[in-house]
Amino acid sequence: EVQLLESGGGLVQPGGSLRLSCAASGFSFSNSGMSWVRQAPGKGLEWVSIISSSGGHTFYADSVKGRFTISRDNSKNTLYLQLNSLRADDTAVYFCGKGGNMDVWGKGTTVTVSS
Amino acid sequence: DIQMTQSPSSLSASVGDRVTMTCRASQGISNFLAWFQQKPGKAPKSLIYAASNLQIGVPSKFSGSGSGTNFTLTISSLQPEDFATYYCQQYNSYPFTFGPGTKVDIK
Repeated sequence: EVQLLESGGGLVQPGGSLRLSCAASGFSFSNSGMSWVRQAPGKGLEWVSIISSSGGHTFYADSVKGRFTISRDNSKNTLYLQLNSLRADDTAVYFCGKGGNMDVWGKGTTVTVSS
Repeated sequence: DIQMTQSPSSLSASVGDRVTMTCRASQGISNFLAWFQQKPGKAPKSLIYAASNLQIGVPSKFSGSGSGTNFTLTISSLQPEDFATYYCQQYNSYPFTFGPGTKVDIK
């Protein structure tokens, strides 16, 4: 069964950092681009970032560029999102997804930025 | 950036109704368009990719069409489990972008 499981969310103060993880199973992770999408409370979906299968190419939404870093460890079948300089408007559920068209989604991990 | 719009923003329908919603891109995206279904408190679920291709396991009551800038998602016979919010997403060019969603609720 294809599965994605996010972890690493939590409560953090403005200006703080977090690292999210997404453990993948049931498919060839090393051959798949991977994405992060977030959803603020009561709002729609916002695309955040994508990384190529090798990790050599990354793209970001303007709202997170320079603050967030996507990476992956293909030996561990794990995707990461490093969140730095967090702001209140980064508060959201963060989902990882397989591919650019997100054909499989994780259940999400909640990030709350508040003092 | 490519802007995605969806209409209507919400609709009320009855079980058994045929429902159609639209998604428009601010510039041409060929067929690089996906549709997702999201129920409250749950992760989105992929329904359609490449504008008209059903994901494995998605029932055939869902269908998608369109190319370029105009796209539609149709549910042929609405069932209770279909009441949800539907999002489109373009993955033609970075940054990828989602539409604001169409919420389908019970009349």
